[in-house]
Amino acid sequence: KNQVEQSPQSLIILEGKNCTLQCNYTVSPFSNLRWYKQDTGRGPVSLTIMTFSENTKSNGRYTATLDADTKQSSLHITASQLSDSASYICVVSDRGSTLGRLYFGRGTQLTVWP
Amino acid sequence: EADIYQTPRYLVIGTGKKITLECSQTMGHDKMYWYQQDPGMELHLIHYSYGVNSTEKGDLSSESTVSRIRTEHFPLTLESARPSHTSQYLCASSDFDSQENTGELFFGEGSRLTVL
Repeated sequence: KNQVEQSPQSLIILEGKNCTLQCNYTVSPFSNLRWYKQDTGRGPVSLTIMTFSENTKSNGRYTATLDADTKQSSLHITASQLSDSASYICVVSDRGSTLGRLYFGRGTQLTVWP
Repeated sequence: EADIYQTPRYLVIGTGKKITLECSQTMGHDKMYWYQQDPGMELHLIHYSYGVNSTEKGDLSSESTVSRIRTEHFPLTLESARPSHTSQYLCASSDFDSQENTGELFFGEGSRLTVL
């Protein structure tokens, strides 16, 4: 069964600190992996998208890594800000379907305290 | 900034009422989707469309229906709302290319439905 598991479920850090969120998946055949940020009550917004051949991708203070062999990804946030408080969702796409079927994790709820 | 819009953002209605959640995008995308999301849970696909006059049910069974008469418009309708329909409904569109396996998924801001 294709699944996406994220950890931790929730995380509290102080402003200015770094943190790393984890995503493990069993989706096969793999096409790409995306990280989304979802503010409370809003729609998800794309942070990064990585294909099989990409190991790392950055978007400002966000850096995503991908190990396609172990089927693991991480999202590292550097020098956290209050505005980083949100749910971070890992989404994996399979290859071969016309829809590019998406599998969603439940997200990691990050809270940044001043 | 994605050009996809949902209305209403919040809706509180009584049981048995008919409701329509509107979704419009100005990006010219053929593929559009409706997801349902409950707190702390993953998004579940309830409907999708490949283009005009194409609609399919998603993974999660839903009593809602959708229509795609125009490319830019993908409304979702509940004929008789019940408390179990209380949830966040997210509309999305995509420029996904199945040949190239490229594309992005753009979400609207969501419609929070509460049925009393």
